[in-house]
Amino acid sequence: EAGVTQFPSHSVIEKGQTVTLRCDPISGHDNLYWYRRVMGKEIKFLLHFVKESKQDESGMPNNRFLAERTGGTYSTLKVQPAELEDSGVYFCASSQDQGARAFFGQGTRLTVV
Amino acid sequence: GQSLEQPSEVTAVEGAIVQINCTYQTSGFYGLSWYQQHDGGAPTFLSYNALDGLEETGRFSSFLSRSDSYGYLLLQELQMKDSASYFCAVNAGGGNKLTFGTGTQLKVEL
Repeated sequence: EAGVTQFPSHSVIEKGQTVTLRCDPISGHDNLYWYRRVMGKEIKFLLHFVKESKQDESGMPNNRFLAERTGGTYSTLKVQPAELEDSGVYFCASSQDQGARAFFGQGTRLTVV
Repeated sequence: GQSLEQPSEVTAVEGAIVQINCTYQTSGFYGLSWYQQHDGGAPTFLSYNALDGLEETGRFSSFLSRSDSYGYLLLQELQMKDSASYFCAVNAGGGNKLTFGTGTQLKVEL
């Protein structure tokens, strides 16, 4: 069974540009989460989808970030326009129910220069 | 607010036992999870405690004391491959939203 996959694995963009990250959760997992780890700091929650609906987006830093999950399958996280402080590793996770175990992808390392 | 504290680094020798502590302050609490992350890899689920006591999974065990807002991860018979970052994470509310600690870098030496 395939795990959570994220694309791209790395992205380097200039300040002001737009970047779109993609996450494919494990098939059948209704719950999808986005997290971010900024250099040297803890992994922080961004938002949670249940199927195609946003259950909790309390961690989204500002309106430059837009997450979607069309059809309740894969999800995208768009950053527009990117700022230097957006650099970090963006993780996606999925779970079958709202229980304890979440499966994480390998992350997208975003560098804004 | 919510915060979790864990040591930043721990060093141990191969074959030894190491304990990584985690204390937390959260407005709600459903359970404490532990994740392992190798450099450049995905955080991998290790264990989960919702109730007080010890959970054992092979060489790894995890303990929780809800009254003390404290837990630990115990790694036995350390192997070189156990060198990684270990994160405690609290599920403090509905939806399995996790609040992570800053992580403990474990170095296993010969």
